[in-house]
Amino acid sequence: NAGVTQTPKFQVLKTGQSMTLQCAQDMNHEYMSWYRQDPGMGLRLIHYSVGAGITDQGEVPNGYNVSRSTTEDFPLRLLSAAPSQTSVYFCASSYGLADNEQFFGPGTRLTVL
Amino acid sequence: GENVEQHPSTLSVQEGDSAVIKCTYSDSASNYFPWYKQELGKGPQLIIDIRSNVGEKKDQRIAVTLNKTAKHFSLHITETQPEDSAVYFCAAGFYKLSFGAGTTVTVRA
Repeated sequence: NAGVTQTPKFQVLKTGQSMTLQCAQDMNHEYMSWYRQDPGMGLRLIHYSVGAGITDQGEVPNGYNVSRSTTEDFPLRLLSAAPSQTSVYFCASSYGLADNEQFFGPGTRLTVL
Repeated sequence: GENVEQHPSTLSVQEGDSAVIKCTYSDSASNYFPWYKQELGKGPQLIIDIRSNVGEKKDQRIAVTLNKTAKHFSLHITETQPEDSAVYFCAAGFYKLSFGAGTTVTVRA
């Protein structure tokens, strides 16, 4: 199993550009989530999904969209990038709900100029 | 929503000594409390977790305690080794998790 994969590994955007961060898992996990990690602030939940077709907002959802058309994929869309979205983004998945071991991807480092 | 506070933010210990990290949470509905370890350039990895119906759990050199009345839980690492150097995060929740800000642990040889 590849586990949780994320692409790209690094990305530089200009303010106002849009892009999609890809996340896929091959463990047949129902629960998937997106976090951003900023220095001194830990991991903050952006959006999460409890299954295909079901998504909900986390702690910091503004400026981001998600969809879950399949069990395997959970892309994160930045609609109009801003410098405040410069961060490291992690995707995670788990069996059942969040109260089981979450498996994290390797992360995407995003810089918005 | 849930608010998780974690202390200390940095911790330096001599190899072989113990390390303790403490977290508090605000939402009494939280019933799942995992601890994650993050090495440089990698995603976090679960090292131990505890549920609200358990007060203590141990796995070799790592132990976690939970006090639901006081809303705090702690990670204990005994006989620390250089490979224990990393950033550790606590978290709390149920259908979604809230993470603490992290503790950078350095084990001095």
